[in-house]
Amino acid sequence: KNEVEQSPQNLTAQEGEFITINCSYSVGISALHWLQQHPGGGIVSLFMLSSGKKKHGRLIATINIQEKHSSLHITASHPRDSAVYICAVMGIQGAQKLVFGQGTRLTINP
Amino acid sequence: GEEVAQTPKHLVRGEGQKAKLYCAPIKGHSYVFWYQQVLKNEFKFLISFQNENVFDETGMPKERFSAKCLPNSPCSLEIQATKLEDSAVYFCASSQLSRGLDGYTFGSGTRLTVV
Repeated sequence: KNEVEQSPQNLTAQEGEFITINCSYSVGISALHWLQQHPGGGIVSLFMLSSGKKKHGRLIATINIQEKHSSLHITASHPRDSAVYICAVMGIQGAQKLVFGQGTRLTINP
Repeated sequence: GEEVAQTPKHLVRGEGQKAKLYCAPIKGHSYVFWYQQVLKNEFKFLISFQNENVFDETGMPKERFSAKCLPNSPCSLEIQATKLEDSAVYFCASSQLSRGLDGYTFGSGTRLTVV
């Protein structure tokens, strides 16, 4: 079993739909990252969370440390949101390396 | 600058040849990380540096992989005697993980193809 599990692995939706991607992890963490990787391959860091909730534009990320669970939400989804979304956690030992989930491939159709 | 600069973008090497990848972290970031992405979404941590010192090298295949971060030079990742399974995208990231700062930035990657 992977330390970081994402669901779903693939998600197809229509433009305008509300999107939720889930991430569960099994280890103690100091922080959790949500990353976006476009077909061209570049990786963008969307959020780094250690507690609570963060919002940036149409993106919202939440984390529940007790339940070891995080969600990424996209409101009013758009075809340009199509990408792979990756959850990655940073351990508590101060190592600061990331352990990655397997990613969620999101496709938004017009 | 405000980006992590990786060069080259693409690298093709014959099996057994040497490959050298470069990464210039964001100025002021103390930590540099190297990750290997194989297939589509499988990331493997290789090594991290705190300034020019190795911080964590638990992911490095030590026989053929080496890395350095020297003052006033880009960081480098070198693979001696490349193998087919080294074909991957290698990402560098830098971070200044003081409390309260979201400072984990990735470079655009180097795609290594071993033929």
